[in-house]
Amino acid sequence: NAGVMQNPRHLVRRRGQEARLRCSPMKGHSHVYWYRQLPEEGLKFMVYLQKENIIDESGMPKERFSAEFPKEGPSILRIQQVVRGDSAAYFCASSPTVPGITYEQYFGPGTRLTVT
Amino acid sequence: QKEVEQNSGPLSVPEGAIASLNCTYSDRGSQSFFWYRQYSGKSPELIMFIYSNGDKEDGRFTAQLNKASQYVSLLIRDSQPSDSATYLCAVIDTNAGKSTFGDGTTLTVKP
Repeated sequence: NAGVMQNPRHLVRRRGQEARLRCSPMKGHSHVYWYRQLPEEGLKFMVYLQKENIIDESGMPKERFSAEFPKEGPSILRIQQVVRGDSAAYFCASSPTVPGITYEQYFGPGTRLTVT
Repeated sequence: QKEVEQNSGPLSVPEGAIASLNCTYSDRGSQSFFWYRQYSGKSPELIMFIYSNGDKEDGRFTAQLNKASQYVSLLIRDSQPSDSATYLCAVIDTNAGKSTFGDGTTLTVKP
């Protein structure tokens, strides 16, 4: 029973390049969340998506960042023209298709982005 | 004021003691509450969730929720060195799906 999968696990980009982070939710889950964690800091919510729909992107920076969750394939977090301040761990979490009351989220291993 | 506040810590307890972790939240619309454990360099791991007032026990862990006081806590009984980690409180408004995490409390259990 595979958990949430993220790739790549480590990504190095030079300033100005694009970073693409991928997340495959747990089987049966169609809700995906992206979080960013800076070194020694807490998790910051970025965006909440369902298949083909962005539900809440209140945590996304207004520029350079975008996210999608297509009908087929993984969710993608895209960062254009990366800067050093984008260096962080990016975590994806998924929750059950029928959230009911609990909406528990299960996290993937994360992608560590380093901008040089 | 932060939406979810946790004791800044670090919290240090001797092995075998009870560790008490606290969390307050500001949004009265919040309905579901979660505790995650995060080891250094790893991803958060779900420990417990609670959505009704009162206590919920799972092994050595007990979550307590008081919606009137907007307070949720996690007790860890018989603390072990392997419990040493950062504990994150998360609050979810299930109507909106919005989730908010506290900054975490770092727990050290000393042998």
